[in-house]
Amino acid sequence: EVQLVESGGGLVQPGRSLKLSCEASGYTFSYYGMAWVRQAPSKGLEWVASISTGGVSIYYRDSVKGRFTISRDNAKNTQYLQMDSLRSEDTATYYCARRGTGRGGDFDYWGQGVMVTVSS
Amino acid sequence: VLTQSPTTMTASPGEKVTITCRSSSSVNHMHWYQQKPGASPKPWIYGTSKLASGVPDRFSGRGSGTSYSLTINTMEAEDAATYYCQQWNYPWTFGGGTKLELK
Repeated sequence: EVQLVESGGGLVQPGRSLKLSCEASGYTFSYYGMAWVRQAPSKGLEWVASISTGGVSIYYRDSVKGRFTISRDNAKNTQYLQMDSLRSEDTATYYCARRGTGRGGDFDYWGQGVMVTVSS
Repeated sequence: VLTQSPTTMTASPGEKVTITCRSSSSVNHMHWYQQKPGASPKPWIYGTSKLASGVPDRFSGRGSGTSYSLTINTMEAEDAATYYCQQWNYPWTFGGGTKLELK
């Protein structure tokens, strides 16, 4: 059974940093691209960042470029999201998602989400 | 930019429901997700028209270019949820969501 388990969320002051982790199990982690998607309270889904299987291809939404860094460790079956210079507008539930293969790259498995609150 | 319509709608059991997703530029495919309150999104339709595992066949998807749609042939209570479209390529933008409620 595919499982994605996020951790690392919490309350942080504006301008500070936080690092999220997503541990995958139930499949060969290195075979799949991964992504982070966030959802502000009572708002819609917002794609944040994606990383390819080997970590060579990386993409970010404009509002987090230069502040967030996505990475992965295939030996540990884990992807990460390093979030620096956090702003109040980064407050959201952050979901880890797997990019499906052979189906147009949709996000075919999601974690349960982890809450990040940026507030003084 | 992906624009979904309507933003909110209600439907009675047995009613046909159509949700539209329009893109500001042409995309090759659209994906759809279902999300219920307090839960993670679930893949629902991928590659414009293919149903994800476990999705009832009363759902269908179609479209091309800049216009896509998700249709429920006959609304059931369990279909009440928020549905999001997502473009298949970078920057993997999501639509604003359509909240479907049971009448």
